[in-house]
Amino acid sequence: QVQLVQSGAEVKRPGASVKVSCKASGFTFTDYGFGWVRQAPGQGLEYMGWISAYSGNRNSAQKFQGRVTMTTDTSTNTAYLELRSLRSGDTAVYYCARLRLLAAPNWFDPWGQGTLVTVSS
Amino acid sequence: QSVLTQPPSVSGAPGQRVTISCTGSSSNIGAGFDVHWYQQLPGAAPKLLIYGNTNRPSGVPDRFSGSKSGSSASLAISGLQAEDEADYYCQSYDSSLSGYVFGSGTTVTVL
Repeated sequence: QVQLVQSGAEVKRPGASVKVSCKASGFTFTDYGFGWVRQAPGQGLEYMGWISAYSGNRNSAQKFQGRVTMTTDTSTNTAYLELRSLRSGDTAVYYCARLRLLAAPNWFDPWGQGTLVTVSS
Repeated sequence: QSVLTQPPSVSGAPGQRVTISCTGSSSNIGAGFDVHWYQQLPGAAPKLLIYGNTNRPSGVPDRFSGSKSGSSASLAISGLQAEDEADYYCQSYDSSLSGYVFGSGTTVTVL
């Protein structure tokens, strides 16, 4: 079945980097894009960016530009999100979600189970 | 502050109908971009509920329906059930931001 499985929880010090993985199965990886969305404790959903597994084209929200890198590995059907210069406000659950590669912007489905990243000294 | 505005909470008795609004602007919903809705049960990842303004994915009960008009959209839940207690988010695309945007989220409580 179509599934996205993310890597496990992480605890990082302020200033460090974190890399979250999202392994896809049940569909042709390069037919889709992958978005990243985070949710701080008790807060709503926040769009971070997305990457096309077909072309490598990517878009990131202005708030994260310069601090985030999104990549894909077509040999392992895995998407990655790296966030650098972590601060306490980056403590959140990070989700990956599949995007269809259409001419028009579309929707996120399905979602991974989420990865809790805790930033604490 | 979210680009798309939703009421923080709505509530209703079992069997009642509730609606959740999602208000945007001329750079997102008003520009013609589609609206999609997600349900997030406590402790779980979001799940697609409505796509393309009005369409339900396979497996989503027809108690859930979506609509869009002008710069706003709405999600209606009819025949409210206890299992519908969750957070609901709308999502669209914003041309000024050149990226996807989410609503502020609405908590549905079944009385």
